[in-house]
Amino acid sequence: AQSVTQLDSQVPVFEEAPVELRCNYSSSVSVYLFWYVQYPNQGLQLLLKYLSGSTLVKGINGFEAEFNKSQTSFHLRKPSVHISDTAEYFCAVSVSGGGADGLTFGKGTHLIIQP
Amino acid sequence: NAGVTQTPKFRILKIGQSMTLQCAQDMNHNYMYWYRQDPGMGLKLIYYSVGAGITDKGEVPNGYNVSRSTTEDFPLRLELAAPSQTSVYFCASRPSGNSPLHFGNGTRLTVT
Repeated sequence: AQSVTQLDSQVPVFEEAPVELRCNYSSSVSVYLFWYVQYPNQGLQLLLKYLSGSTLVKGINGFEAEFNKSQTSFHLRKPSVHISDTAEYFCAVSVSGGGADGLTFGKGTHLIIQP
Repeated sequence: NAGVTQTPKFRILKIGQSMTLQCAQDMNHNYMYWYRQDPGMGLKLIYYSVGAGITDKGEVPNGYNVSRSTTEDFPLRLELAAPSQTSVYFCASRPSGNSPLHFGNGTRLTVT
C-alpha cells in the first residue's frame, strides 16, 4: 500500500514571495504522483501530475513540482504567490500502471497568503 | 460539458435517517469513486467502481452502500445515519487507472 505525508498543515507566506509545499510518499512499487488544489467550498482541481519522464513537472497557475525518487519526495513550488493562491493543497499517489482503487491523499496543506 | 455533478450540495439529517447522495458524470468514464473529507484528515476512499455492475470497498466503507447500474451514475446510500458520518462527500471519476481524477463540488452532510 502507498502512503503520503504532507509535512506542513499550514504554510503562511507573504504575497509575491516564493513558496514550497512538501510532500513525501511511501511505496514498494513505482508510483504516479499528483498535486490537487481545493478552493473554499469547491471540489479538487488537478494542478499537475508526474507519470514518467522528466522529473520537473510544470502545472497550471505557475506551479511546478520535482519528483525525487531517492528521497521519495514530490515538493510543490511557486516562485511568486498571489492572494488568489490561498487554498488547500493535496498531494496524492497511485500505483504506476494504474490502480483501480483511485488515489491515496495526504492530509493537505493550507496555504495562507498574507498581503 | 458538466463533468461530475453531485446533488444535493447541503443536507442535514437526524440520527437514524437514511439518504442517497447522487453523483453523475457525462464524460463516459469507467472508473468512479466516493471519498469523504474531514478537517485535517485529507480524503478517505469509501467505495469505488470500475464499470457498470462492479463495485468494491475502499478504506472506510462501513455505514455506506453503493450501486452502479449505468456508466453515468454512482449513488452513495447512507442507512441509519450517525454523527460520525458528518463530513463533506466527494464523487470523482476518471477514464482509466492511469488518469487523474475529476471531482464534483461535493455534498456537505451534517448528522445531528
